[in-house]
Amino acid sequence: GAVVSQHPSWVICKSGTSVKIECRSLDFQATTMFWYRQFPKQSLMLMATSNEGSKATYEQGVEKDKFLINHASLTLSTLTVTSAHPEDSSFYICSARTGGAAFFGQGTRLTVV
Amino acid sequence: AQSVSQHNHHVILSEAASLELGCNYSYGGTVNLFWYVQYPGQHLQLLLKYFSGDPLVKGIKGFEAEFIKSKFSFNLRKPSVQWSDTAEYFCAWEAGGFKTIFGAGTRLFVKA
Repeated sequence: GAVVSQHPSWVICKSGTSVKIECRSLDFQATTMFWYRQFPKQSLMLMATSNEGSKATYEQGVEKDKFLINHASLTLSTLTVTSAHPEDSSFYICSARTGGAAFFGQGTRLTVV
Repeated sequence: AQSVSQHNHHVILSEAASLELGCNYSYGGTVNLFWYVQYPGQHLQLLLKYFSGDPLVKGIKGFEAEFIKSKFSFNLRKPSVQWSDTAEYFCAWEAGGFKTIFGAGTRLFVKA
């Protein structure tokens, strides 16, 4: 199947700093990618839809100024968590769609201390 | 609001038992439905999908799911589970714009 890769797999940062997470489609091009957040023992919640060459579309309740999304190429989308706080600690997952199905990255565990 | 409901949060079965996980979606428009599995420490992986046609869909590893339009349901089944099926299973519905909406997940533990 298609491969979506996220980097880093886990990151620890200090409160107030910013963290960038990369999502790459390795063997296909993706004009659209999706960013999800997964809290412990909960499902994946869609945060935003990343569109290549244009602004991301955010779901209701997601702060666009806090979660900056850039989709500069057909194989790369980035999510930057700005001024991170402990409540932003979570598991962030990206996905891209091809061949009629979504493929997911391995996720990034963010811990803000 | 668009939503996906999974009926069981935790299921414990013995090996060789039959499995059925319930899933209902909330909206009757275009229906693209999926079941994903997440093994401990691994990515989400696609088990099977339904877009149209035969409502009984067969997926990988012996799993199947049946789409029942009148019940807005897409239940996952396996006749005989194995210890290696221990994982978390997510039902998902592809809404407009290819957004995938997930159910809360069902954690399956299979006792050897």
